[in-house]
Amino acid sequence: EAGVVQSPRYKIIEKKQPVAFWCNPISGHNTLYWYRQNLGQGPELLIRYENEEAVDDSQLPKDRFSAERLKGVDSTLKIQPAELGDSAVYLCASSLKVYEQYFGPGTRLTVT
Amino acid sequence: AQKITQTQPGMFVQEKEAVTLDCTYDTSDQSYGLFWYKQPSSGEMIFLIYQGSYDEQNATEGRYSLNFQKARKSANLVISASQLGDSAMYFCAMREIIPMNRDDKIIFGKGTRLHILP
Repeated sequence: EAGVVQSPRYKIIEKKQPVAFWCNPISGHNTLYWYRQNLGQGPELLIRYENEEAVDDSQLPKDRFSAERLKGVDSTLKIQPAELGDSAVYLCASSLKVYEQYFGPGTRLTVT
Repeated sequence: AQKITQTQPGMFVQEKEAVTLDCTYDTSDQSYGLFWYKQPSSGEMIFLIYQGSYDEQNATEGRYSLNFQKARKSANLVISASQLGDSAMYFCAMREIIPMNRDDKIIFGKGTRLHILP
């Protein structure tokens, strides 16, 4: 069974540029999560989807971040415009059983 | 206020020895869940073990066991017979559920970096 797929794995952009991350969850997993992990920290939830619905986006900085999950499968997380402080690893996870999340390899974003 | 506390930023352990990674948590909920994840240098988060707050027995998964002490609000991970491949970051996490708000999130600690020495 394929795991959670994320792309790109690495991205380097200049500040004020837009960037987008893509996630394909494990087939059949209706819950999808986006996390941000700063260096030396644990992951922090940005947004959680149940199928197409964003049920928890309280930690998503809505002035510059947006996310979508069309048809309840793939998801895209966008930052526009990026700031230096957005440099982090962005992790996508999916789950069927709520207590067992499967994580993708992450996208390491560097904003210069 | 920090809800998950991992007091050991780093640990060095000799191969084949057992190791205990500390985790304390803070919640007023009666129903919650506790997790441990492993993050190798490749960056992927790997689920290791889960303990529900109502589970009477400590969870075990192969060489991993969770020493759950509810009254002390601690959920330490024990790795028996450590191996070189156990070198990684380890994160303790707690699931919080607030049904009224449809909140269901997992909160992670800051992690412990474990080094297994040959």
